[in-house]
Amino acid sequence: DTGVSQDPRHKITKRGQNVTFRCDPISEHNRLYWYRQTLGQGPEFLTYFQNEAQLEKSRLLSDRFSAERPKGSFSTLEIQRTEQGDSAMYLCASSHRLAGVGNEQFFGPGTRLTVL
Amino acid sequence: DAKTTQPNSMESNEEEPVHLPCNHSTISGTDYIHWYRQLPSQGPEYVIHGLTSNVNNRMASLAIAEDRKSSTLILHRATLRDAAVYYCILRDNNAGNMLTFGGGTRLMVKP
Repeated sequence: DTGVSQDPRHKITKRGQNVTFRCDPISEHNRLYWYRQTLGQGPEFLTYFQNEAQLEKSRLLSDRFSAERPKGSFSTLEIQRTEQGDSAMYLCASSHRLAGVGNEQFFGPGTRLTVL
Repeated sequence: DAKTTQPNSMESNEEEPVHLPCNHSTISGTDYIHWYRQLPSQGPEYVIHGLTSNVNNRMASLAIAEDRKSSTLILHRATLRDAAVYYCILRDNNAGNMLTFGGGTRLMVKP
């Protein structure tokens, strides 16, 4: 199966620590998205890359959050000085620029972050 | 993105059809109607999308009202594996690439 993969699947950290998550999109998908999902809510958009360029950022993405996609392939999402409110599922998705108006996004299984 | 309204939850019996409604009274002419679903402990997955005409694919059918202010996702024969949260999303293809999820409808399927 060559779907979107995310690592780690679970992360427990103490408040104030930095964490980094990795997302590997489907091969040849040039669009990559990060979302955050808290319990009982739908996913919320964080940021979007086309190739290596970060083209959109949500206001949810505070200064403590940074995302990169250095070679237009995998992406990392770093959270500095974590807070308990950062506890959530972090979802990555990818799509192909030529997917047409449907622009179906393929989601990974997510990384569940718990900040103690 | 325009807002959608869905019931919080619905129940269905296995092997019966399910009609999941979505209201989107402020839809604009360039908004596409997308449906995604999220099975327990998984990321969302695409189900179907449409603009004006009804659409069918291997997973479901999408019926769109003539005035486009509402739509219905139809699962023709619900199975236990269809138990999930179903999200109705409006997406303007010209306005950005993110998906704006609401609360969705939690579908429970009884054997």
